[in-house]
Amino acid sequence: QKEVEQNSGPLSVPEGAIASLNCTYSDRGSQSFFWYRQYSGKSPELIMSIYSNGDKEDGRFTAQLNKASQYVSLLIRDSQPSDSATYLCAVISSGNQFYFGTGTSLTVIP
Amino acid sequence: DAGITQSPRYKITETGRQVTLMCHQTWSHSYMFWYRQDLGHGLRLIYYSAAADITDKGEVPDGYVVSRSKTENFPLTLESATRSQTSVYFCASRAGWQGDQPQHFGDGTRLSIL
Repeated sequence: QKEVEQNSGPLSVPEGAIASLNCTYSDRGSQSFFWYRQYSGKSPELIMSIYSNGDKEDGRFTAQLNKASQYVSLLIRDSQPSDSATYLCAVISSGNQFYFGTGTSLTVIP
Repeated sequence: DAGITQSPRYKITETGRQVTLMCHQTWSHSYMFWYRQDLGHGLRLIYYSAAADITDKGEVPDGYVVSRSKTENFPLTLESATRSQTSVYFCASRAGWQGDQPQHFGDGTRLSIL
């Protein structure tokens, strides 16, 4: 079982819609969770971090964490074509190891 | 502020040659990492370093050598390059080992081995 699992997609949404990206993790003791965005041919860029159960909003982005279900999600409201990228979920385990998911490819259709 | 820089950005070489990828960070971060990213595999950790002169293997260390004589530099060497090492290589750094510290990435090196 992988430490971090993501649906590889591709996920396609129309412009202006809400994109929902999901991630599950295996280590129940994990405490820190991150979302990275990676444009094609570029490096991963940190866009959100979340440490507590519930929602954390930053502009059009909302990260949601449910530790009981071992589930992290990223919502992108009013999706724009510029949001088209691969989104990587990352988790810091109870042993302080950093684990990345393989990423979900998102395409926003104009 | 450059942050974390990798060089070269692109490299083409032949099998059997030695190749060194450079990574330099200006944040004085303790931890540095080398990943390779291949289609279908995501990011795979090659080596990491907790401080100068402290390095440890990651998931896929075979065929690679690292050193860290100074905090700011973390070069990755392929001692005898093979075609299977064709990949995009990312260097990353992290301020500390505290549980809330994210990693920050360099722009990557695209390496092709013919």
